[in-house]
Amino acid sequence: AQSVTQPDARVTVSEGASLQLRCKYSYSGTPYLFWYVQYPRQGLQLLLKYYSGDPVVQGVNGFEAEFIKSNSSFHLRKASVHWSDSAVYFCAVSYNNAGAKLTFGGGTRLTVRP
Amino acid sequence: GPKVLQIPSHQIIDMGQMVTLNCDPVSNHLYFYWYKQILGQQMEFLVNFYNGKVMEKSKLFKDQFSVERPDGSYFTLKIQPTALEDSAVYFCASSTDRYEQYFGPGTRLTVL
Repeated sequence: AQSVTQPDARVTVSEGASLQLRCKYSYSGTPYLFWYVQYPRQGLQLLLKYYSGDPVVQGVNGFEAEFIKSNSSFHLRKASVHWSDSAVYFCAVSYNNAGAKLTFGGGTRLTVRP
Repeated sequence: GPKVLQIPSHQIIDMGQMVTLNCDPVSNHLYFYWYKQILGQQMEFLVNFYNGKVMEKSKLFKDQFSVERPDGSYFTLKIQPTALEDSAVYFCASSTDRYEQYFGPGTRLTVL
């Protein structure tokens, strides 16, 4: 069975600081990995995805993530956060077949102090 | 980007009543999903649907739940009868034969 752990339920950083949100997964095969962001009263928006190839993937709004197979991790990073990045971030994993369900982590609530 | 719409945004009903949640997926998408999020908790998979059939359902998808997409219109989640523990936000998603799922804004269901 697949599972995702986001160990930090809440993270607070100052505007302009760098950011890392942690994600670890448990999966028997080659996972497909995703980061989604959820703004208040909105659905999830895809930030980035990893299927294969270069383990560092670039996403929207300056976000990137690195797939480290040996560590079963897919941490999200951003060099300099903006107050508008305040939201809840979800890491997710799926099997590599069409229509497969997403298994989500518990989410990390990011607060960016002005 | 592609938009998934959900109707209504909020539904309040009495326990035991029937409710239908409607999802208007992205037009060329083939796979459809429902997820459940209880306030403050993680998103959990309920069911996925392709070519008129359920592909997989989780243990959260109780016998009182059903899904359908008649004539290519709305993808619906019906709960009959509802229970107090069904109170949550229900998110619909859709995808092509690729793997990116696009999510709607959710329907907040309150069962009294």
